[in-house]
Amino acid sequence: DGGITQSPKYLFRKEGQNVTLSCEQNLNHDAMYWYRQDPGQGLRLIYYSQIVNDFQKGDIAEGYSVSREKKESFPLTVTSAQKNPTAFYLCASSIRRAETQYFGPGTRLLVL
Amino acid sequence: GDSVTQMEGPVTLSEEAFLTINCTYTATGYPSLFWYVQYPGEGLQLLLKATKADDKGSNKGFEATYRKETTSFHLEKGSVQVSDSAVYFCALSDGSSSGYALNFGKGTSLLVTP
Repeated sequence: DGGITQSPKYLFRKEGQNVTLSCEQNLNHDAMYWYRQDPGQGLRLIYYSQIVNDFQKGDIAEGYSVSREKKESFPLTVTSAQKNPTAFYLCASSIRRAETQYFGPGTRLLVL
Repeated sequence: GDSVTQMEGPVTLSEEAFLTINCTYTATGYPSLFWYVQYPGEGLQLLLKATKADDKGSNKGFEATYRKETTSFHLEKGSVQVSDSAVYFCALSDGSSSGYALNFGKGTSLLVTP
């Protein structure tokens, strides 16, 4: 089955620690996105990538980093510079930009 | 900049009632419009979409019509079921947003009671 997978489902971060959230897709999509969802809020864009080895900052990129070394994978690192990381993180992809985006199941990040 | 405004929830309905969730938008270009649904603890699922004025998107009994004159994309369903209980997000995408990223409303929570 084609789809988008995110792991882990839950992730716990200690103070000062960097953590990495995984996003993999086997849909052969060029474009991938990371969004952050806070309770009672819509989703906000963290980073996006339209093609391998290229990515751009979104609206709330501070304290986050990404890489896009393979078409299938777009991992997100939450660094210690992100002071309020507790949120639900959603990865999405589309066949190319301007096309419909499809979402993974999400990773919930909690701070210990 | 672009923005999406949805009616605030929660919305509580009895099974088989008629559903309307209002969504209006502000956009500088000609956006595509979407409704996504989120069940508890899950990611977002595409419910329906419309890419140009007067298009009607439909899926699983839900419908929404792209109204350029009123900048609206209201979601409707004639007879809701308990299984429709979820959070519904209206969103738009156009060339003015980063990489055609989605611009979301805050979501409307729907609870359908038996």
